[in-house]
Amino acid sequence: DAGVIQSPRHEVTEMGQEVTLRCKPISGHDYLFWYRQTMMRGLELLIYFNNNVPIDDSGMPEDRFSAKMPNASFSTLKIQPSEPRDSAVYFCASRPGQGMADTQYFGPGTRLTVL
Amino acid sequence: SQKIEQNSEALNIQEGKTATLTCNYTNYSPAYLQWYRQDPGRGPVFLLLIRENEKEKRKERLKVTFDTTLKQSLFHITASQPADSATYLCAPPSHTDKLIFGTGTRLQVFP
Repeated sequence: DAGVIQSPRHEVTEMGQEVTLRCKPISGHDYLFWYRQTMMRGLELLIYFNNNVPIDDSGMPEDRFSAKMPNASFSTLKIQPSEPRDSAVYFCASRPGQGMADTQYFGPGTRLTVL
Repeated sequence: SQKIEQNSEALNIQEGKTATLTCNYTNYSPAYLQWYRQDPGRGPVFLLLIRENEKEKRKERLKVTFDTTLKQSLFHITASQPADSATYLCAPPSHTDKLIFGTGTRLQVFP
């Protein structure tokens, strides 16, 4: 298995532009998570899905952020409009469905820079 | 609120020594705790999970302890090697079972 795939790996954009981050989870995993990592705040959970349904989006910072999972093999995280404070590394992770204690498998991340 | 604390200062040790990293949590009692390793430019990778009824868990040169009285988990790497240099994150679940990641401790092992 190729593991969790994220694209792009790096994104540089200007303030006000729309940014779309993409994730392909490991096949057969029922859960998908979006995290944001910064030096100051560490790794923060933004939203997670179970069987393509958003379960908890309480970590989404504001209405500028949205996430979708149209099918079991694809998810997007969109920021519109982007701001410099959104600069961070965004990780997608997936997990089998047996139980919450199960291991999460992380993608390589997308490094976002908003100028 | 639930809080996870890891030593933000880097830990520098000599090859062959035992590295010990600390994870403290406050304001709740997690049923389990996970440890992850993160290398620069990569996503975290799962290492070990320890449950509240397990005082100690081992995997090769790794050992994790879980002291529910002290609200602390210790992560040990014995006979450390330069290849062990990375950031190590502890991650207990929240009361809603979402993982809460600490900010991590960077370990540097010198030859």
